[in-house]
Amino acid sequence: SSELTQDPAVSVALGQTVRITCQGDSLRSYYATWYQQKPGQAPVLVIYGKNNRPSGIPDRFSGSSSGNTASLTITGAQAEDEADYYCNSRDSSGNHLVFGGGTKLTVL
Amino acid sequence: QVQLVQSGAEVKKPGASVKVSCKASGYSFSSLYMHWVRQAPGQGLEWMGIINPSGGSTTYAQKFQGRVTMTRDTSTSTVYMELNSLRSEDTAVYYCAVSSSSDDYWGQGTLVTVSS
Repeated sequence: SSELTQDPAVSVALGQTVRITCQGDSLRSYYATWYQQKPGQAPVLVIYGKNNRPSGIPDRFSGSSSGNTASLTITGAQAEDEADYYCNSRDSSGNHLVFGGGTKLTVL
Repeated sequence: QVQLVQSGAEVKKPGASVKVSCKASGYSFSSLYMHWVRQAPGQGLEWMGIINPSGGSTTYAQKFQGRVTMTRDTSTSTVYMELNSLRSEDTAVYYCAVSSSSDDYWGQGTLVTVSS
């Protein structure tokens, strides 16, 4: 079982805002990194650090954290945002990385 | 531009070993740690470990300790991931990836199929 817990599935209406969460004790000490993965493709980094987006990632993607929970928010979800989203951070020992189980986002 | 090119798909029998390569280009090979991540069919991402290409030091996920070995060849800017004692549950796409200060770069993935 993963040390980072995500909801398996979330849905959002087109153009609405959705929050995808990731829970874990290590998130009290370390930031989460967020990845988007579409079928048959390698993961793509969307958020890293406190709330940073790589070049090319739309500003509708944002990250936040509170206590043991990290969140990825998509403000104004688009059809192309339909994908699996994974959080990633250090484990409780701080020596290894771990992924959450992933959240499948459906845009209705 | 950063490129990670992985070796081709493999089919192995249970108990065998597989060695996947990841050839890096477009950056200073020794400057970025390289991760290996795998994904079983229909499943999530699983972190396997990391190698420092500069000195060759490694850290492996506990799950793979004793069964995985990551090495590098600085002369060819290539990192290798070898997994031993393969079982059917090791059937997965294996990715190499590096993280710069502002982005990640992933290989195209290598499908390893373990089947008798």
